[in-house]
Formats: sequence, C-alpha cells, structure tokens
Amino acid sequence: GAGVSQSPSNKVTEKGKDVELRCDPISGHTALYWYRQSLGQGLEFLIYFQGNSAPDKSGLPSDRFSAERTGGSVSTLTIQRTQQEDSAVYLCASSLGGRSNQPQHFGDGTRLSIL
Amino acid sequence: AQKVTQAQTEISVVEKEDVTLDCVYETRDTTYYLFWYKQPPSGELVFLIRRNSFDEQNEISGRYSWNFQKSTSSFNFTITASQVVDSAVYFCALILHGSSNTGKLIFGQGTTLQVKP
Repeated sequence: GAGVSQSPSNKVTEKGKDVELRCDPISGHTALYWYRQSLGQGLEFLIYFQGNSAPDKSGLPSDRFSAERTGGSVSTLTIQRTQQEDSAVYLCASSLGGRSNQPQHFGDGTRLSIL
Repeated sequence: AQKVTQAQTEISVVEKEDVTLDCVYETRDTTYYLFWYKQPPSGELVFLIRRNSFDEQNEISGRYSWNFQKSTSSFNFTITASQVVDSAVYFCALILHGSSNTGKLIFGQGTTLQVKP
C-alpha cells in the first residue's frame, strides 16, 4: 500500500515568505507526527496529532510555526515569515495509533531552503 | 530527561565485514520502547525494529541482529557480512510508554555507515 506522502519534495523560498508543507498519512493511521531534521540539531519532534484529541504542540520552535490536520487525515505545517534557520528537512510520520509500541512510518520529507 | 547517544558519528567498512552500531539511552522510566531506523540517501526513514523495555531477548533478522542490555542501557545493532546497500545513516530512538508517552520519538544523532566495495 501507499506510504506517507509529503509535498513538495523541495521548496526554495525567500526569507520572510510563508510556506505550507503537506503530509498525507498512511490510510487508517490515526496518529500523525511532524519532525524537523537539520545538520546542527538532528531529528527534532515538532507536533503530534492523535485522533480527535488536542495536538501536542510542545516541539514547535516558535509561534511562526503552526499545523493543522483536517478530517483526521491530511496535515499541513505552516511556517510564517520564514527565517534562514528554518532551512531543514521536514519529515512527517504516521502510526496506527498513538500507543508508543506502534512504529512510526516516515515520508521522504520536504527539503526547505530559505534564501 | 530522556536522551539517546550514538557515539559513532561515521563508520567505514569494506564489504563483507561485520559492523556494530552503538546506542546508549537514558531514562528514569521503567517502561519504554526502543527503535532503529535506517535513512538511505533517498531520505526516507525506514523502520527496522522495535524492542520494549521488558524484553531483553536478542533478535536476529537475516544479516541484522540487535543486542539489548538494560544493565548498560544499550541497544546495539550489528550488521553481519555488510553490503554496499547497507550504506545509510542509522538512527536509534526511544519513546516512553503509558502516561509519560508524549508520542514523540527521541532520536540519537545518527551514525553514518559507509560500506565500500
């Protein structure tokens, strides 16, 4: 079956612009996660959605970052007024449930470059 | 606080050599899960294995094997008879269980494995 799908694969934008990154999880997966991978910081958790529960936003680095998940499926991560330090690969993952023993399955990521 | 340490930043071996990737973790919780992921040059993180904190039995899957030792808080990964296709970045990760579960994987910094022909 289809895996986690992310779009775009690459995004280059100018500093100060807003960007939207999309994630389409594996069908039937109720939990969805966003991570960021950068050279200096490794893999960092950003946000976690589980079913209809309020999302865990504890990893979002600033109020310029927000995410939503519509209809319990597709998720959009939005970065407003982008800064150069936002350049990274943004990875989305999904799992069957929010239980910790369920492996998270990752997409190919969106490589974001801020000029 | 929880932490995962992969002390080996880069490892280079010649094809057919065995190689072990080290992973040491820190947590005060007694119930948790450990994972290994592979990230090939294409970028996608590929799930390899999960292990819960109550199961210290070693596991073998083909050329891959994992050694979990709670006494040393280690979860090491060995590739036997390495192949060029094993070249990738390998991540070890920890997630807490139960009420401490925030859903987030805590990753080590990764070990880049290069297998030369």
